[in-house]
Amino acid sequence: ETGVTQTPRHLVMGMTNKKSLKCEQHLGHNAMYWYKQSAKKPLELMFVYNFKEQTENNSVPSRFSPECPNSSHLFLHLHTLQPEDSALYLCASSQASSSQSLYGYTFGSGTRLTVV
Amino acid sequence: AQSVTQPDIHITVSEGASLELRCNYSYGATPYLFWYVQSPGQGLQLLLKYFSGDTLVQGIKGFEAEFKRSQSSFNLRKPSVHWSDAAEYFCAVGVNNAGNMLTFGGGTRLMVKP
Repeated sequence: ETGVTQTPRHLVMGMTNKKSLKCEQHLGHNAMYWYKQSAKKPLELMFVYNFKEQTENNSVPSRFSPECPNSSHLFLHLHTLQPEDSALYLCASSQASSSQSLYGYTFGSGTRLTVV
Repeated sequence: AQSVTQPDIHITVSEGASLELRCNYSYGATPYLFWYVQSPGQGLQLLLKYFSGDTLVQGIKGFEAEFKRSQSSFNLRKPSVHWSDAAEYFCAVGVNNAGNMLTFGGGTRLMVKP
């Protein structure tokens, strides 16, 4: 257990469904991230939140909608996804500071998403 | 912008043999460098990190890495590999004052032969 918890661990959804991924951390971190990990591709940063404010959207399609209600929780709302969106979605957290790169990230175990 | 290259997609070593995984980065100044390990179905776990000081850093699980500025490299090493080390390994670079974004390499999958 890393301190970053993602639910569900596995999700199968149809292209017309709406679902949400949840990430929770109680490490006292103030920065949270969503990454997409597809087979044979590098990790892709999707969104960054610092102190609940979105500070990065890495050209992610609007069918992915993040929400960060507080520094401990992060959601990724999904709607009308495509089969190519099937991947492992990883949440991470870190300290938020001007030198936050120093700390690296703590990752959750991910949600394996399959779009059918 | 910074970038990270892991030239080896797959590596197979025998149990008990030594290991070196390569990582090259591109950045104009000294970056912050990290190695992560990912076991199947799991998230990424931090093995070690470097920001300054001694260029040889020790991490968990018996791993170490050496920062070589002249070669823009941060290779990961282990003197004797165990079967449980089979996993995927990711090198990452972070840049101060560039937001809180780490850039990851493509990963190296390590297989361990008995």
